[in-house]
Amino acid sequence: DQQVKQNSPSLSVQEGRISILNCDYTNSMFDYFLWYKKYPAEGPTFLISISSIKDKNEDGRFTVLNKSAKHLSLHIVPSQPGDSAVYFCAANFGNEKLTFGTGTRLTIIP
Amino acid sequence: GAGVSQSPSNKVTEKGKDVELRCDPISGHTALYWYRQSLGQGLEFLIYFQGNSAPDKSGLPSDRFSAERTGGSVSTLTIQRTQQEDSAVYLCASSPSPAADTQYFGPGTRLTVL
Repeated sequence: DQQVKQNSPSLSVQEGRISILNCDYTNSMFDYFLWYKKYPAEGPTFLISISSIKDKNEDGRFTVLNKSAKHLSLHIVPSQPGDSAVYFCAANFGNEKLTFGTGTRLTIIP
Repeated sequence: GAGVSQSPSNKVTEKGKDVELRCDPISGHTALYWYRQSLGQGLEFLIYFQGNSAPDKSGLPSDRFSAERTGGSVSTLTIQRTQQEDSAVYLCASSPSPAADTQYFGPGTRLTVL
């Protein structure tokens, strides 16, 4: 039972363009959503988060949107080569365990 | 400051042997989590420690898996009688307080069971 879904296993974007990564969830109890970025042979690093009661959070080039029912998106603009990584969407409620999606591998083409 | 550290970074073992994986959380963090990532899969929750409370073991896949956290700091994940399907990257994360939503991950231990 996959409660957090990232349906695109990979995405390629030209440098300078916008990258949009999508995430869908099924559990309406989730109250917090996070995006993590993972480079090979490293642990995931926290990128940006959003509360379920908010519809937008921005941090520099990164914006997370929560405007559609049970759907989130991460926008990166402009995309840079260093953004090439695997991006995981995660969700939790309270301070409990994170439930992760399967990740999207983003490749930025120079 | 120092982040979450894990040791060893890589472990190769033979089927049937026991292994111990270690996690040193960020100093002062009260919550500690273990996850694993199998090839081509997302991160799968294993176990969660919060202060002196009984751990949430709901993610442990079998009774061959156990974990402890001594003194509210270092944690050890033990896998007994390892099987090939246990091969994965085992990730530890810590969080500063029960109210915190963000978890900080270590680099992981890559376990290969031959």
